[in-house]
Amino acid sequence: NFMLTQPHSVSESPGKTVTISCTRSSGSIASNYVQWYQQRPGSSPTTVIYEDNQRPSGVPDRFSGSIDSSSNSASLTISGLKTEDEADYYCQSYDSSISNWVFGGGTKLTVL
Amino acid sequence: QITLKESGPTLVKPTQTLTLTCTFSGFSLSTSGVGVGWIRQPPGKALEWLALIYWDDDKRYSPSLKSRLTITKDTSKNQVVLTMTNMDPVDTATYYCAHNTGNFDYWGQGTLVTVSS
Repeated sequence: NFMLTQPHSVSESPGKTVTISCTRSSGSIASNYVQWYQQRPGSSPTTVIYEDNQRPSGVPDRFSGSIDSSSNSASLTISGLKTEDEADYYCQSYDSSISNWVFGGGTKLTVL
Repeated sequence: QITLKESGPTLVKPTQTLTLTCTFSGFSLSTSGVGVGWIRQPPGKALEWLALIYWDDDKRYSPSLKSRLTITKDTSKNQVVLTMTNMDPVDTATYYCAHNTGNFDYWGQGTLVTVSS
């Protein structure tokens, strides 16, 4: 079993770039794809990145995902921040050893 | 267009069994590779995966809740049902169902379930 650890909160100004990390506690981050979900207040989560770095149609290319084996972590980078990006972001992966889905604790992004 | 909608009681008493139904459209749960999962979110807290059922009736459960959960499907009705036994106030949460073909790409609106006497 593994856990995904995210920073509790990050903040940045409009127009800037922010990166949210997601660190896997055991096993290789590259073993299973990482997804990122955006959840605005009062709404259901929506996918902004799937399979580590793929963007669903309709998600602006300001959103990008990557993984780093050296730090065993995944990252979500949002460039050209807009106030509408203010939301909670969750990383998620799959634990193939026990066939379970794992979510990170979520990161609250404030754009101010 | 894929849509999912959760339904069930908004209030249950401690020790009772919760039964939630996910009614979906725009896909078939008899299509290879397709699954429907349940995820919950206590107020102000993080998402927690609960269970998932695949097109071939394979079922997966969160280890920490496995003894309390049952997931079933009715392909003809386009429904997935989750039951959770022995409800406790800590189970108060918004419960979501979601379509899965590797990741949870479509989510329902969620239903808030409060556990209180």
